[in-house]
Amino acid sequence: GENVEQHPSTLSVQEGDSAVIKCTYSDSASNYFPWYKQELGKGPQLIIDIRSNVGEKKDQRIAVTLNKTAKHFSLHITETQPEDSAVYFCAAFMDSNYQLIWGAGTKLIIKP
Amino acid sequence: GEEVAQTPKHLVRGEGQKAKLYCAPIKGHSYVFWYQQVLKNEFKFLISFQNENVFDETGMPKERFSAKCLPNSPCSLEIQATKLEDSAVYFCASSQSVAGQLAEAFFGQGTRLTVV
Repeated sequence: GENVEQHPSTLSVQEGDSAVIKCTYSDSASNYFPWYKQELGKGPQLIIDIRSNVGEKKDQRIAVTLNKTAKHFSLHITETQPEDSAVYFCAAFMDSNYQLIWGAGTKLIIKP
Repeated sequence: GEEVAQTPKHLVRGEGQKAKLYCAPIKGHSYVFWYQQVLKNEFKFLISFQNENVFDETGMPKERFSAKCLPNSPCSLEIQATKLEDSAVYFCASSQSVAGQLAEAFFGQGTRLTVV
């Protein structure tokens, strides 16, 4: 079955700097890769996603890149702000069974 | 509604008691998913529904867990004879299919189940 690995588990960056979180997946049939942000005591919220027919997608300060050959995808946050502090999850999804397989999460800490 | 509504927010049960959690998906969404998030943050898939039909239940511990999505009622997840290891936050998500592909999954705020 699908397996998603996410690194690092904790990331601390200075406000204004960039943050990069990386994920790898095992099943080449996965075709949709969402990123979720989870704040304390809340449900995960989709921040950006990418499908397997696209290599990169950007939305303001957030971008996601996908390398299908290497089976990895990354989240890039530029000009980080205190409100970016949260736990970020990557996930891989297959249309065949509509299951999201989650990474273990990255706790992002933005230092003022 | 425009958000996934989960009730209750918190639930405390003694070991061996029954727990029942509810989820009202976003109106018009035909897919409902249940996930369990334990202390180390990892999400575990439990079950999914397409309307009132079970779509995928490969994640369900079938001995004690059951779930339903009946028409005109909130979906429910029930745990019979709860165990300490059932303590977790249970999330419900809903989504719709667009042109044969699943669109964004919207999550509720979760139900924190504590088994004592």
